[in-house]
Amino acid sequence: AQTVTQSQPEMSVQEAETVTLSCTYDTSESDYYLFWYKQPPSRQMILVIRQEAYKQQNATENRFSVNFQKAAKSFSLKISDSQLGDAAMYFCAYRRRGSARQLTFGSGTQLTVLP
Amino acid sequence: NAGVTQTPKFQVLKTGQSMTLQCAQDMNHEYMSWYRQDPGMGLRLIHYSVGAGITDQGEVPNGYNVSRSTTEDFPLRLLSAAPSQTSVYFCASSYAGASYNEQFFGPGTRLTVL
Repeated sequence: AQTVTQSQPEMSVQEAETVTLSCTYDTSESDYYLFWYKQPPSRQMILVIRQEAYKQQNATENRFSVNFQKAAKSFSLKISDSQLGDAAMYFCAYRRRGSARQLTFGSGTQLTVLP
Repeated sequence: NAGVTQTPKFQVLKTGQSMTLQCAQDMNHEYMSWYRQDPGMGLRLIHYSVGAGITDQGEVPNGYNVSRSTTEDFPLRLLSAAPSQTSVYFCASSYAGASYNEQFFGPGTRLTVL
């Protein structure tokens, strides 16, 4: 079975600075997807960024980018120019390609943005 | 489109009571899932469905039943609530098409079992 580990329960960053959230995973599959979800206090789950395992190029969405290291099974999220609205719980998630969209989540990292 | 809707938003039950958490989507998605979120554990899959009439168990199915009689609705039933089922419950849906299609999550139901 696959597992997803987020070893940083809490992180903080100064507004306008850059922060990196870590995620490692374990799977025997070679074809899968990795995701970062944001959960603000409203509880809504918001997809931040997605990486397809067969793509070597790291995904980027505006201020959010990932560092995907397939051999090391590492998938970190970098947030540049942090904003107060980035404060939230961030979850790393894995899904096997071809599955019925079942996601395996990490335990989350609570990000605080300091003004 | 309303997207994925869940009712109720909050619920308090006594141990042994039964109830149904409702989930509906108006996007004609084939896939639907239920997750629970507990502090420090992220979201865990309870049950999922790949279409009307087809359901399967996820990681933590014990104590929960589901059925999928229509494409739109995917209710989650607690037959005899236990304090261990105190959690926040999320419903999600997605297209069955291209594999990269994202899941859309509902706003969640916070359930407390006393």
